[in-house]
Amino acid sequence: AQTVTQSQPEMSVQEAETVTLSCTYDTSESNYYLFWYKQPPSRQMILVIRQEAYKQQNATENRFSVNFQKAAKSFSLKISDSQLGDTAMYFCAFMSTNRDDKIIFGKGTRLHILP
Amino acid sequence: GAGVSQSPSNKVTEKGKDVELRCDPISGHTALYWYRQRLGQGLEFLIYFQGNSAPDKSGLPSDRFSAERTGESVSTLTIQRTQQEDSAVYLCASSPLQRRGDIQYFGAGTRLSVL
Repeated sequence: AQTVTQSQPEMSVQEAETVTLSCTYDTSESNYYLFWYKQPPSRQMILVIRQEAYKQQNATENRFSVNFQKAAKSFSLKISDSQLGDTAMYFCAFMSTNRDDKIIFGKGTRLHILP
Repeated sequence: GAGVSQSPSNKVTEKGKDVELRCDPISGHTALYWYRQRLGQGLEFLIYFQGNSAPDKSGLPSDRFSAERTGESVSTLTIQRTQQEDSAVYLCASSPLQRRGDIQYFGAGTRLSVL
């Protein structure tokens, strides 16, 4: 069974700094999707970034980028020039291409951006 | 509406009562998902609908939990004889399911408190 592990329950960084959230996963499949979701206090999960496992190039979305290491089964999220609005829970997630799009979530990292 | 809508946003009930949680997906989205998020935890998959059929009910924690969906629209999650351990945020997501890895769009959830 697939598992997703986020080893940092909580992190704090100063505004404008760069922060990296770690995520590792376990799967025997060769093709799959990985996601980072953000959950602010409003509770609504928002997709931050998506990576397709067969693509070598790391996904980027403005200040958000990932370091995808397929062999190591690692999928870290880097937030550059962090902003107060980035304060939220961040969840790493895995989706198999062989099943009905069920997403397996990690337990999350609570990120605090300090003024 | 533009997004996934869930109601009520908060529900307080007494142990032993039945509750119904409602989800209105984005119009035209084929797939609908229910997740449970306990305090400080990640998301736990409950059930998935493709249209109005539920090919994957594997996450329902007990026979007190059931869900229905009318066509490709509203879904209700029913919890009978609620217990204190049912207290959680229940999140709904929908997806167009036009291809593998389609993004899931989440509602803001229903926070259920069982006293």
